[in-house]
Amino acid sequence: GAVVSQHPSRVICKSGTSVKIECRSLDFQATTMFWYRQFPKQSLMLMATSNEGSKATYEQGVEKDKFLINHASLTLSTLTVTSAHPEDSSFYICSARDPAVRYEQFFGPGTRLTVL
Amino acid sequence: AQSVTQPDIHITVSEGASLELRCNYSYGATPYLFWYVQSPGQGLQLLLKYFSGDTLVQGIKGFEAEFKRSQSSFNLRKPSVHWSDAAEYFCAVGKTSYDKVIFGPGTSLSVIP
Repeated sequence: GAVVSQHPSRVICKSGTSVKIECRSLDFQATTMFWYRQFPKQSLMLMATSNEGSKATYEQGVEKDKFLINHASLTLSTLTVTSAHPEDSSFYICSARDPAVRYEQFFGPGTRLTVL
Repeated sequence: AQSVTQPDIHITVSEGASLELRCNYSYGATPYLFWYVQSPGQGLQLLLKYFSGDTLVQGIKGFEAEFKRSQSSFNLRKPSVHWSDAAEYFCAVGKTSYDKVIFGPGTSLSVIP
């Protein structure tokens, strides 16, 4: 099946720094990728939809200047948390659509971000 | 806007017992419905999906789900639970086959040996 990877799996950073998280589709070309945020013991909240070569579409309430999303190629999307603060600490998950497989998203393993 | 509710935050069952996890959705048309499982340290895995046709859907790992339009439900079932089924289960809904998917709050399943 389609495989999606995320890097890094865990990251700890100081408050005020920026952190970049990569999401890669390893064996397919993903025209659309999604970024989710998951707080402990809670559900996945969609942050944004990323389409290759165009600007991301952010969900209501998500700060686009804080969470920069770039989908520069068909196999890579990046999420940059700018000027991170402790409240940004969370589990970030990406998913990707394989155009050849309808109705299904393939999820990455997630990235645990801790901001000190 | 579509939404998903999962009334049970946490369920505990004995190994070998049957399981039913409830899911209700709110959407005007026929939605695309999914069940995902999330195990600790692992990514979400799709158990099954429904978009049309037979309302009883078979999935992986022995799971099945039944779409009931009259009740706006898509409950997940398994006849005999294994200890390895302990995980977080999410019901999700999408408007189209390529649209974003909205997740329910999740049900945490514990399995007693």
